[in-house]
Amino acid sequence: AQKITQTQPGMFVQEKEAVTLDCTYDTSDPSYGLFWYKQPSSGEMIFLIYQGSYDQQNATEGRYSLNFQKARKSANLVISASQLGDSAMYFCAIEVDDYKLSFGAGTTVTVRA
Amino acid sequence: DAGVTQSPTHLIKTRGQQVTLRCSPKSGHDTVSWYQQALGQGPQFIFQYYEEEERQRGNFPDRFSGHQFPNYSSELNVNALLLGDSALYLCASSWGVGMQETQYFGPGTRLLVL
Repeated sequence: AQKITQTQPGMFVQEKEAVTLDCTYDTSDPSYGLFWYKQPSSGEMIFLIYQGSYDQQNATEGRYSLNFQKARKSANLVISASQLGDSAMYFCAIEVDDYKLSFGAGTTVTVRA
Repeated sequence: DAGVTQSPTHLIKTRGQQVTLRCSPKSGHDTVSWYQQALGQGPQFIFQYYEEEERQRGNFPDRFSGHQFPNYSSELNVNALLLGDSALYLCASSWGVGMQETQYFGPGTRLLVL
């Protein structure tokens, strides 16, 4: 079974600063995909970024980038230039060629003005 | 480009009742997955439908069943509701041919069982 661990239950960040959210995963399958989602208080899960296990470069999408360290089985999300609208719950998830996402417990990010 | 839509947004039921939740996928998507998210936890995979068949199922009892229609929309049915079924139910759609396709979520249905 696949497992995602997010050890930071909550984080505070000052507006315009960067924040790193930790994610470690456990799988024995060589082919997998890692996803990050944002969930505001409204409840909708918003897709942010994807990293495939065979991708040679770290994924980037606008202000989001993924620090993928395959040997350490970690896929940390970096949010640069934080905005007040970034305040939300962030989930890391893994899919291992079985069509289902397995999520971590999430990290709450609060951006301070 | 219409995103994933779900109905209803909120629902209150009593123990023992049955409930049906509905989902329309994002335009161009043919696969629908359902997730249950209890308060303060990450979503848990219930099942996935592709070509009107259940393709994959998570660790949920048979009280949870589903259906996919020819237009790719889907329903989640829960029978004999328990208090523990109170949760946010999320529907996600994707293009189903390959694995590790990005799943896009709808706004969810909040179910409260009294």
